[in-house]
Amino acid sequence: DVKVTQSSRYLVKRTGEKVFLECVQDMDHENMFWYRQDPGLGLRLIYFSYDVKMKEKGDIPEGYSVSREKKERFSLILESASTNQTSMYLCASSLLDGLDYGYTFGSGTRLTVV
Amino acid sequence: ELKVEQNPLFLSMQEGKNYTIYCNYSTTSDRLYWYRQDPGKSLESLFVLLSNGAVKQEGRLMASLDTKARLSTLHITAAVHDLSATYFCAVVFQGAQKLVFGQGTRLTINP
Repeated sequence: DVKVTQSSRYLVKRTGEKVFLECVQDMDHENMFWYRQDPGLGLRLIYFSYDVKMKEKGDIPEGYSVSREKKERFSLILESASTNQTSMYLCASSLLDGLDYGYTFGSGTRLTVV
Repeated sequence: ELKVEQNPLFLSMQEGKNYTIYCNYSTTSDRLYWYRQDPGKSLESLFVLLSNGAVKQEGRLMASLDTKARLSTLHITAAVHDLSATYFCAVVFQGAQKLVFGQGTRLTINP
């Protein structure tokens, strides 16, 4: 089974802090994604990556950046955390052509910014 | 605009009843997924639907796809309490490699 591991289940950070959310997958998937989940809004795509050092903006990239230095690791960075970034963050990965295999999600990181 | 809409957003039903969740999407899609999420947990893949007329079944859940109507349905037969969860549909639009999600349907099944 593909495993997508997010380093923290719960995080509490202060406004203005720089925050790193880490995601690691163990099945050599090319694609990796960061979503945030808010009640009533479903999941919204922040950034995604097709390959090492490549990144694409999703639907809500403002206030976030990403890093993919190795194929298995995709980091989400909040340069200066704000209270409106309090949310559940989900990482996912897939094969380049995820036709039959779908996307595998990590267990999520619930971030609270105070 | 790439949009996916589910209805209803909340559904409370009794055990033993049947019901359907609807998922509409805005433009041509390569494939459609259904996911389940339990409270505090991540998303679990249920079905992937790849072509018009596709139907997949697992236990009391059956998903179908009508690409001409841009509609997928998730039908629940003789509901049991264990099916209580939030269900999401998600679409990969043609030419894209990213999932666009619906808002989710929170399903509560009462004894």
